[in-house]
Amino acid sequence: DAKTTQPPSMDCAEGRAANLPCNHSTISGNEYVYWYRQIHSQGPQYIIHGLKNNETNEMASLIITEDRKSSTLILPHATLRDTAVYYCIVRAIRLTFGEGTQLTVNP
Amino acid sequence: GAGVSQSPRYKVAKRGQDVALRCDPISGHVSLFWYQQALGQGPEFLTYFQNEAQLDKSGLPSDRFFAERPEGSVSTLKIQRTQQEDSAVYLCASSLARGRNTEAFFGQGTRLTVV
Repeated sequence: DAKTTQPPSMDCAEGRAANLPCNHSTISGNEYVYWYRQIHSQGPQYIIHGLKNNETNEMASLIITEDRKSSTLILPHATLRDTAVYYCIVRAIRLTFGEGTQLTVNP
Repeated sequence: GAGVSQSPRYKVAKRGQDVALRCDPISGHVSLFWYQQALGQGPEFLTYFQNEAQLDKSGLPSDRFFAERPEGSVSTLKIQRTQQEDSAVYLCASSLARGRNTEAFFGQGTRLTVV
C-alpha cells in the first residue's frame, strides 16, 4: 500500500474552511484516496474518497492534484464538532492508516 | 441498527484468559476487516474476509490471534492466553464489495484491557 504523509496537527477557527493536506507520491494508478476521521473513543468515520477527479459530498470536498501525488480535504465551514484526527489513506483492498492529522477547531 | 455492531464494548481480561470479540457487519456486506488500535496510534490492520473466506491474515500479531466468519456474516476475533500488550481497541469494518471504490464502515470498537 502506498504511504501517505500528513502534518501531525492543525488548528482552524470555527466557521472558517479547514484545508488538510496529504502527500501520497507513490500512489498507483488504480488506488483510491480515502479520508476518514476519528473522534475520541469512536470508530473511524468515512468522509470521502476519489480516484483522480475532485469530489464533493455533504461533509467535505476532496481536491486531488493532476499527478495524483497529493490531495487536500476541505471542510468548508468547520465547527467545533469537526475536531478529530483525520486520516488520509491510499487504498488497495485494505485501508492502511498512518498517524493522521489532529485537527482542532477553536471557537 | 443499520451500522456495524461490535460486542462487548468493553472487556477486562486477566492475563492468560481467552477472549472472543464479536462483529455484526452491515447486512449484505461482503468484505469484513479487523483492526487493532493502541492508545494514541492509528488503527493497524489484522485480517480481512470476503464472505466466509479469510483472504488476508498477514496482520495478526501471533498465533494466539484467530478470526473466523463461518457463514459470511458475523465474525469473531479470538485471542488466546491474553497478554498485557494485547490491550487495545479492536475495530471491525465492513464494505459492500471487494473493490477499491467501496467505502468501509467501522463499528465503535471493543476496548480490551488485560490486567
